[in-house]
Amino acid sequence: QVQLIQSGAEVKKPGASVKVSCKVSGYTLTDLSTHWVRQAPGKGLEWMGGFDPDDGETIYAQKFQGRVTMTEDTSVGTAYMELSSLTSEDTAVYYCARRSGDGYHFDYWGQGTLVTVSS
Amino acid sequence: SYELTQPPSVSVSPGQTARITCSGDALPKKFAYWYQQKSGQAPVLVIYEDSKRPSGIPERFSGSSSGTKATLTISGGQVEDEADYYCYSTDSSGNHRVFGGGTKLTV
Repeated sequence: QVQLIQSGAEVKKPGASVKVSCKVSGYTLTDLSTHWVRQAPGKGLEWMGGFDPDDGETIYAQKFQGRVTMTEDTSVGTAYMELSSLTSEDTAVYYCARRSGDGYHFDYWGQGTLVTVSS
Repeated sequence: SYELTQPPSVSVSPGQTARITCSGDALPKKFAYWYQQKSGQAPVLVIYEDSKRPSGIPERFSGSSSGTKATLTISGGQVEDEADYYCYSTDSSGNHRVFGGGTKLTV
């Protein structure tokens, strides 16, 4: 069955970078695009970006442009999200999500990775 | 940047109908999607493309869209429907996605 398994929790200092992984199974990573969504404690969902197959490129939310990089290693079926110049406001649960093949929605999600930014 | 607006909270008694709205300027041309998120869990899709229900989602969940407003309706709300609900859509260009601020449903 389809699964998205994310890497474990991280604790980072302000100014550092974090790289979260998302290993997929039950389908081929390149067949469907992966997006990233985060949720700060007690706050709502926030779309960060993802691969757009219509344009053939990765699109990022304006808020994160220049600070986030989303990549894939197809040989191991894993997607990555790297966020740099971390501040306490980046403390959140980060989710990877699979975009459905027949629409803009996300049909499967990872379990989430808590990233804590603290000095 | 594009925004979707939801009421912060909605409260109904068990068996009553709950309606959660989502307003956005691009909704006349773009589909709305709805996610349910229970505490400590990843979101679950309950409605896609305005009104379609994924397999496994109870029939009491339905969606509609008219003009700049999309609505999630839960007919005969049950205690297990208590959760945060988020609408999701794209801006007019279709490139940038956005979630509404979320609505806490109390049953």
